[in-house]
Amino acid sequence: DTGVSQDPRHKITKRGQNVTFRCDPISEHNRLYWYRQTLGQGPEFLTYFQNEAQLEKSRLLSDRFSAERPKGSFSTLEIQRTEQGDSAMYLCASTGRTVDGNTIYFGEGSWLTVV
Amino acid sequence: AQSVAQPEDQVNVAEGNPLTVKCTYSVSGNPYLFWYVQYPNRGLQFLLKYITGDNLVKGSYGFEAEFNKSQTSFHLKKPSALVSDSALYFCAVLNTGNQFYFGTGTSLTVIP
Repeated sequence: DTGVSQDPRHKITKRGQNVTFRCDPISEHNRLYWYRQTLGQGPEFLTYFQNEAQLEKSRLLSDRFSAERPKGSFSTLEIQRTEQGDSAMYLCASTGRTVDGNTIYFGEGSWLTVV
Repeated sequence: AQSVAQPEDQVNVAEGNPLTVKCTYSVSGNPYLFWYVQYPNRGLQFLLKYITGDNLVKGSYGFEAEFNKSQTSFHLKKPSALVSDSALYFCAVLNTGNQFYFGTGTSLTVIP
């Protein structure tokens, strides 16, 4: 297993369109996190899952943002009716049940540009 | 609420000199503290963490960090900086709800 995988790496979309990002965590990692990062800022926590349960979603930026992890494996983050302010890098991270379960490992991120 | 602060947006150091990137934390209870590094257009890479035990934690690429409870600090250090260490560095804290919160980052530039 090579780590957390995110797809697509880059997405350019027109304002008002919907976009979906996919994250495949490290195998057997039961916790999965989504973050947003804008230039010059640290990662901003959005939501997280333990298995298929979404345990925290109050930090999602608006009701246009939603995330799922239907079978407790991969996850999707959807942004509806995109706005220019949504342009950012969306990071996924995961961690597991092992002794290293306090460390999260990040994917390479998905860049979103809304034009 | 748990949080971390990185007081320096930018740190410059000459190659071969020791480097320090500062982080202070605010937590209730025992802190779980982390350092990550980010290269341009990449995700964050784990460097090291403090959970419990020795106050001096050693991590990847020759980095270490010192946990200081009285000063509520967790500064990242390296005895001899390399040009390849130039990157963004983030301090993070894990809260009791299994949520990680990151500082605003420090841009490290190592000058040849």
